[in-house]
Amino acid sequence: EAQVTQNPRYLITVTGKKLTVTCSQNMNHEYMSWYRQDPGLGLRQIYYSMNVEVTDKGDVPEGYKVSRKEKRNFPLILESPSPNQTSLYFCASSPEGNTEAFFGQGTRLTVV
Amino acid sequence: DQQVKQNSPSLSVQEGRISILNCDYTNSMFDYFLWYKKYPAEGPTFLISISSIKDKNEDGRFTVFLNKSAKHLSLHIVPSQPGDSAVYFCARTGANNLFFGTGTRLTVIP
Repeated sequence: EAQVTQNPRYLITVTGKKLTVTCSQNMNHEYMSWYRQDPGLGLRQIYYSMNVEVTDKGDVPEGYKVSRKEKRNFPLILESPSPNQTSLYFCASSPEGNTEAFFGQGTRLTVV
Repeated sequence: DQQVKQNSPSLSVQEGRISILNCDYTNSMFDYFLWYKKYPAEGPTFLISISSIKDKNEDGRFTVFLNKSAKHLSLHIVPSQPGDSAVYFCARTGANNLFFGTGTRLTVIP
C-alpha cells in the first residue's frame, strides 16, 4: 500500500530537549516536505527536499532542521524545541514539488 | 503574502443540498489548483484538481470551477453527505511546492 508514515503520532516534550520526527514514504517520490498546521493559519511549509541531499527552506523554517540522506526518509529535527513549536506536523511526498502530494497521518507535538 | 485565501472558516449544510466552498488567489502564475479534504486525526487527502487552462473539472459529486477573471476557485459538492464533514483546503502550485489556504470546516447536517 502506498503511504507516508510518520512517527510518533503524539509527542509531549519539554523546552530545549532535542527531538526527531521521522517520515518515510514507499512511493519512490523525489519530493518530500514538512508542514505545520495551526488554527487559523492552515498548512505552512517548513522545509522541502527535491531529492537526496537537496533540501531548502519553506515559509517557516526557523527552529527546524531536516536531512535527506535516503530517498525514502525525511526526518524533521527540533534541536531546541520551544512552546511556539507546539503544533500538528505533516510530512508529505510527491513525484515533483508542484504536483499532488500524499500526506502522512500527522504528529501532534506539545512542547511544555 | 498569502497566495490563496479561504475567507469562510466554516460552513454548515443540510444533507442532500449543495455545499459550495470558495477560494481566492492573488497570483496568476501557476499550473494547477487542488482541493484536499482532512478528517480529524488524519492527514489531508487529495480530492480534485483543475488546470489553469480549464474552467471546470468534475469527479462524481465533486466539481471544481475556476474563474480566472475573478481569481476565484470554488468546490461544489452535490448532494452533500454527512461523510463529507471535514476541513477542506484549497492549494495552488508554485515553482517547487504547494501553497495552501487556511481551510474551511464543512459540517453536513443529517
